[in-house]
Amino acid sequence: GAGVSQSPSNKVTEKGKDVELRCDPISGHTALYWYRQSLGQGLEFLIYFQGNSAPDKSGLPSDRFSAERTGGSVSTLTIQRTQQEDSAVYLCASSSRDWDNSPLHFGNGTRLTVT
Amino acid sequence: LAKTTQPISMDSYEGQEVNITCSHNNIATNDYITWYQQFPSQGPRFIIQGYKTKVTNEVASLFIPADRKSSTLSLPRVSLSDTAVYYCLVGDILYNQGGKLIFGQGTELSVKP
Repeated sequence: GAGVSQSPSNKVTEKGKDVELRCDPISGHTALYWYRQSLGQGLEFLIYFQGNSAPDKSGLPSDRFSAERTGGSVSTLTIQRTQQEDSAVYLCASSSRDWDNSPLHFGNGTRLTVT
Repeated sequence: LAKTTQPISMDSYEGQEVNITCSHNNIATNDYITWYQQFPSQGPRFIIQGYKTKVTNEVASLFIPADRKSSTLSLPRVSLSDTAVYYCLVGDILYNQGGKLIFGQGTELSVKP
C-alpha cells in the first residue's frame, strides 16, 4: 500500500517568506510526527499529533513554527518569516498505535533551503 | 524520557557480523526499543523492535538484557548496502507519554569491501 507522502520534496524560498510543508500519512494511522534533520545531524523532534490534537508543542523551535492536522489525516507544518537556520530536511512519520506498539513509518522528507 | 547513547561511527568489512550497542539507562517500564536505518536522502526505515530478551527477524537480531538499560542490534554478514546510519529509539508509543519520541544521534556504519 501507499506509504507516507510528503510534498514538496524540495523547496527553495527566500528569507522572510512563509512556507507550508504537507504530510499525507498512511491511511488509518492515528499518530503523526514531524521531525527536522539538519545536514549531517540526527532527528530533532518537533511535534506529535494524536488524531487532530497536539498534546505538546514545546518541540517547535520558535513561534514562527506551527502545525495542524485536519480530519485525522493530512498535516501541514507552516514556517513563517523563514530564516536561513530553518534550512533542513523536514520529515513526517505516522504510526497506528496498535497494541503491538507499531513502529514509525517515515516519508522521504521535504528539503527546505532558505536563501 | 529515556535518553539514548550510541557510538558515533563504526567500520566493518563485507561478510562480518556487526553489533551496535545503545545505552538507555533511564528506560521506563512501558518503553519499547526500536531500531531504524537511514540512507542518504531517505527517511528512516524500521528494522526491528523489542521489549526484552531477544528478537530476530529476517534482517537483524536485537538483544536486550534483563535490566533493559542497553540493547544491541546485530547485523549478520553485512554487505556494502548496509552502509547507513542506525538509530536506536526508546519510547512508549502505545501509552503516549506526550508522544515525544526522541532519537539519539545515531551510528554511522561504513561497510568496506
